[in-house]
Amino acid sequence: EDQVTQSPEALRLQEGESSSLNCSYTVSGLRGLFWYRQDPGKGPEFLFTLYSAGEEKEKERLKATLTKKESFLHITAPKPEDSATYLCAVQLTRGQNFVFGPGTRLSVLP
Amino acid sequence: KAGVTQTPRYLIKTRGQQVTLSCSPISGHRSVSWYQQTPGQGLQFLFEYFSETQRNKGNFPGRFSGRQFSNSRSEMNVSTLELGDSALYLCASSLSAGMNTEAFFGQGTRLTVV
Repeated sequence: EDQVTQSPEALRLQEGESSSLNCSYTVSGLRGLFWYRQDPGKGPEFLFTLYSAGEEKEKERLKATLTKKESFLHITAPKPEDSATYLCAVQLTRGQNFVFGPGTRLSVLP
Repeated sequence: KAGVTQTPRYLIKTRGQQVTLSCSPISGHRSVSWYQQTPGQGLQFLFEYFSETQRNKGNFPGRFSGRQFSNSRSEMNVSTLELGDSALYLCASSLSAGMNTEAFFGQGTRLTVV
């Protein structure tokens, strides 16, 4: 069964305290891995797409990396405005379907 | 440019009724995908339409259906509503199919079934 898990479920950081979020997947075939940010009451906002192991992408304080079994979203020196739920999703090669992880709820305290 | 527009934002329906939700994608985007989001199950893929054709479908019963019009606007229909259908329904639009390009989400329609 195709499965995507994320850890931790929730994370509280002090402003400036760097950390990483994990997305682990067990799928029949990976076409791409996506990271999204979702604020309360809003739809997800696209952050990154990664396609192959070893690939890395950066955007401001965020950096996403991909291995054969997991992806990490590294947050460097976070600010309170980075507080949100971060979702990862895997696009399968079979039928091009998508499987989302449950998300990590990040709180950055000033 | 205008974002993805979903209407209505909130909806309350009675069990057994049917409902139609609407999604207007970003101008020029031809792909529309629909998702259901609940606290227990998270985000789940419903289906994707590209150029008026359903390209992919998630694991939902046949009560969930959709269509896309020539102007790329999409509608999703749920028949014989059940209490468990209460959720936030999100649509996302992208330039091409398969979400290989950046996908933009609307704010969603909050459906409550009573």
